[in-house]
Amino acid sequence: ETGVTQTPRHLVMGMTNKKSLKCEQHLGHNAMYWYKQSAKKPLELMFVYNFKEQTENNSVPSRFSPECPNSSHLFLHLHTLQPEDSALYLCASSQDLRGGTSGANVLTFGAGSRLTVL
Amino acid sequence: RKEVEQDPGPFNVPEGATVAFNCTYSNSASQSFFWYRQDCRKEPKLLMSVYSSGNEDGRFTAQLNRASQYISLLIRDSKLSDSATYLCVVNIVNTGGFKTIFGAGTRLFVKA
Repeated sequence: ETGVTQTPRHLVMGMTNKKSLKCEQHLGHNAMYWYKQSAKKPLELMFVYNFKEQTENNSVPSRFSPECPNSSHLFLHLHTLQPEDSALYLCASSQDLRGGTSGANVLTFGAGSRLTVL
Repeated sequence: RKEVEQDPGPFNVPEGATVAFNCTYSNSASQSFFWYRQDCRKEPKLLMSVYSSGNEDGRFTAQLNRASQYISLLIRDSKLSDSATYLCVVNIVNTGGFKTIFGAGTRLFVKA
């Protein structure tokens, strides 16, 4: 497989359920990201992992819990979500040019996991 | 003020038209700039990077004005397949590396 793959593509869950979203990148990148995209809103950065270390957590509620076991895999664990958490969750990866020159840092996105919380 | 601002549109243009989108950013520490394209219910994909000297890729031309802190995208000879949302993206340098900020996007509809 190539690129960034996300599973599941669609998920419906109740507010008391626990589920996980999975992301895998086959690009040899060293940074991975979780974004949330709600209708008519810009992409919201949730978490960033550089070299497997979490470097950003943008005030995301604790009901979202990321896990990055290695540089190719990223999970988002979900528990006791709210209906307003229904959105498209996009995983992305990039080659973080830390200390680099141009700061290219181009993101490659997965197809997303569309989450509906009932 | 939003860090990256775009006119949400929608822009409705006929095939063959030329259309331009602008984007402004507020952080002067912004280092690199991009246009991404997002089709309906799909993920964003890189359309092109934006260089200081301006750059062209086929029918698409991107410009950067650092002094005024805006970026533009010009599409010539619009095709039906150009219908999508165009996202302005800015990378800001911070102590942890780079922070990528997305605009909310400009929707384009190209009509036959």
